[in-house]
This record gives sequence, C-alpha cells and structure tokens, in this order.
Amino acid sequence: KQEVTQIPAALSVPEGENLVLNCSFTDSAIYNLQWFRQDPGKGLTSLLLIQSSQREQTSGRLNASLDKSSGRSTLYIAASQPGDSATYLCAVRALGLTGGGNKLTFGTGTQLKVEL
Amino acid sequence: GAVVSQHPSRVICKSGTSVKIECRSLDFQATTMFWYRQFPKQSLMLMATSNEGSKATYEQGVEKDKFLINHASLTLSTLTVTSAHPEDSSFYICSALRGEQFFGPGTRLTVL
Repeated sequence: KQEVTQIPAALSVPEGENLVLNCSFTDSAIYNLQWFRQDPGKGLTSLLLIQSSQREQTSGRLNASLDKSSGRSTLYIAASQPGDSATYLCAVRALGLTGGGNKLTFGTGTQLKVEL
Repeated sequence: GAVVSQHPSRVICKSGTSVKIECRSLDFQATTMFWYRQFPKQSLMLMATSNEGSKATYEQGVEKDKFLINHASLTLSTLTVTSAHPEDSSFYICSALRGEQFFGPGTRLTVL
C-alpha cells in the first residue's frame, strides 16, 4: 500500500526566504506526482505535475523535483511571500489499469506560514 | 477549462438526517469522479471512485450503504450521507477526471 509522507508538518519563515518542502513515498511504481496548494476551508489548486519519466518541473517561483528511485520529491519556493501561506500537499498517482491507475494518494501536508 | 463545482459549500444538519452533496464538471464530461474526505489538519482520504452508469468502487473501510454515490450523467456525481452522525462531520471534496483530476472547492458538513 502506497504511503506518502511530508516533512515538515509545519513551517514558518520570514518573507523573502527560499524554502524546500519534502515529500516521500514508499512505492516507486508511480505514474506521476503532483503538488497542490490548499487554502483554509478551500479545495485544491494544482501547482505542478511531474510525470514519472521527468526529473523536475518549474512554474514561476516554484520548482518541483522527482527522484522516483528513492521515492522522493521536493518543492522549492523561491523568494517566499505572505500570499504563499497555505497548506501544500503532494500526491502520487498509481500505475495500473484505468480505475486503480487514476487513484491519488495524498501526503500529510505541510502548513506554510510566510511572515512579513 | 476543467472547472469542477460542488453544492452546497456548507451544510449543517441534525443527527439522523441525510445530506446530499453534488459534484459537477462544468465544462467537460467526466466518466470518472472521485470523492474524498478530509478531517481537520489531516490529508485527503479517498472514499470512493464514481463511474458514470455503473456502481461506485469504495475504498476499504468506507460503508457503501452509508455513503451513497450516484453518477447518473457525465457531468454530475452525488454523494448522499445517510443517517448522518456527528462523526461524519468533515470536509468532503470531489474531483473529476480529465487526464488528471480536477478538484471541486469542497463541502463542509457539520452534523449536530
């Protein structure tokens, strides 16, 4: 059974700092890995999606890397801003047939607070 | 594109009543939708996979008679929490599959 863990569980940084969020997963047989942002009481916003054949993806100040063999992904946020404050979730998509292969297993999340 | 809506956004009900939550894909058709539950400070847990025109597939430990799922059209899936109890209070999020999963804004259920 796939298990996804995120470290740290919570993080507070001053504005402008670069930071790294970590995600690890136990089963390397994944189709892709996705990073999401969740604001309090809201749904999920997809940030970056990395296919299993890729090593990294970038979008603006965000960069996500994937090391499938070691079961790890990192989300790098450059020059953090107060608006980046949210919970960040990683999720892995399983391989397999249509039904099971579309399932996402979510990590435990990192709650980020960027202070002025 | 790929917008998913949920209704209602919040619902408060008395213990023992049933509550229906709708999940709609607004600008695309989805043969597969997913229902998740999220408790405070915890991650999303997949409850079931909803397939248009067929029975939903429930995850282990999820009671199918308590959480009724109907995927009657290519743009609508409903989750009915039957005989709701306070322990069912949670944040319910759906997603619709279009290559990847696109998520709705969630429904906060509070059972008194």
